[in-house]
Amino acid sequence: QKEVEQDPGPLSVPEGAIVSLNCTYSNSAFQYFMWYRQYSRKGPELLMYTYSSGNKEDGRFTAQVDKSSKYISLFIRDSQPSDSATYLCAQNAGGTSYGKLTFGQGTILTVHP
Amino acid sequence: NAGVTQTPKFQVLKTGQSMTLQCAQDMNHNSMYWYRQDPGMGLRLIYYSASEGTTDKGEVPNGYNVSRLNKREFSLRLESAAPSQTSVYFCASSEVGESGAFFGQGTRLTVV
Repeated sequence: QKEVEQDPGPLSVPEGAIVSLNCTYSNSAFQYFMWYRQYSRKGPELLMYTYSSGNKEDGRFTAQVDKSSKYISLFIRDSQPSDSATYLCAQNAGGTSYGKLTFGQGTILTVHP
Repeated sequence: NAGVTQTPKFQVLKTGQSMTLQCAQDMNHNSMYWYRQDPGMGLRLIYYSASEGTTDKGEVPNGYNVSRLNKREFSLRLESAAPSQTSVYFCASSEVGESGAFFGQGTRLTVV
């Protein structure tokens, strides 16, 4: 079993829809969680970052961590065609290892006009 | 400000050939990483360097070697390429107190 599991999709939604992307994790020792966005043939770029549990909001994006169920979520409101990308959840150990990440498989999202 | 720069962007190798992937960052980060990305597998850590002068194995180190040349540069070497090493390779860097890691644009490697 992978330490971070993510439904690869693909997920296709109409413009303006609310998108929900989800991951589960198994290692409770690691408390830093991230969402990366990756456009086709590009490198991943950090989208959202949360520590421990709770919600974090940034514009149309909300990241949520539920430690009791070991669940990580990313919500995209008013989705746009420019949101079409692969979304990767990740978990790391923090400390001096901020970039030592365990990734989910990635979910391919398409937002059609 | 270029961030993380990888060279080359594309490469085709024959089985058994060797090559070095280069990575440089201009963000003065202490830590650098090499990941590979395969379909359905997400990104997996090959090697990392927590600071200049140190390197450690990640999840999939077999068949690779690394060199932390200085604080800016971290190279990945394939001594004898195999078709199983066909992948997209990403270099990344990070710093304590900053969120997550910053990635380069990737090197697409095909081993035939």
